[in-house]
Amino acid sequence: AQSVTQLDSQVPVFEEAPVELRCNYSSSVSVYLFWYVQYPNQGLQLLLKYLSGSTLVKGINGFEAEFNKSQTSFHLRKPSVHISDTAEYFCAVSGGSQGNLIFGKGTKLSVKP
Amino acid sequence: ETGVTQTPRHLVMGMTNKKSLKCEQHLGHNAMYWYKQSAKKPLELMFVYNFKEQTENNSVPSRFSPECPNSSHLFLHLHTLQPEDSALYLCASSQEGTGGLDTQYFGPGTRLTVL
Repeated sequence: AQSVTQLDSQVPVFEEAPVELRCNYSSSVSVYLFWYVQYPNQGLQLLLKYLSGSTLVKGINGFEAEFNKSQTSFHLRKPSVHISDTAEYFCAVSGGSQGNLIFGKGTKLSVKP
Repeated sequence: ETGVTQTPRHLVMGMTNKKSLKCEQHLGHNAMYWYKQSAKKPLELMFVYNFKEQTENNSVPSRFSPECPNSSHLFLHLHTLQPEDSALYLCASSQEGTGGLDTQYFGPGTRLTVL
């Protein structure tokens, strides 16, 4: 069985500061990893995903994440955040074509001026 | 209209009411999903339909009844709900029901309140 832990429920940060949202997973099989973002009053939108290949994945809006198999982590980073990045971010894992997405509880990123 | 749409956006119902949530996708996808999003809990997958066939029922109570008449439309019929069923119900679609390999596209959700 797979599970996802997002270590921080809320992350406040000032505009133009760097941010890291942490995600750890557990799985007994090869995994595929995802970050989704949910802006207020909207559905979820894919930010980026790791399926195979390079462990550093670049996504939309300047976000990137690094797959670390030894630490079972897939942390999301952005070097300089904007007010518009204020949203809730969800990490998710899948066991592949036979597995559905398993989501973490989410991290609310609040960017302050 | 593009993407995934859901109606209504907000719904308040009593425990004895019967209502339906509607989802429509305009992406030409073959798989559709219902998720429940409750405060402080992970997104819970409820149902998966692949080419109109239900391929997943994640131990959802029978007071939730899904219907998928075609690949573009998905309904969630509600009856005799409980207050703990109050949540945001999200619909999603993907090209095929290959689980996490396919990018899922989400609608804005229906905010359901059960009194």
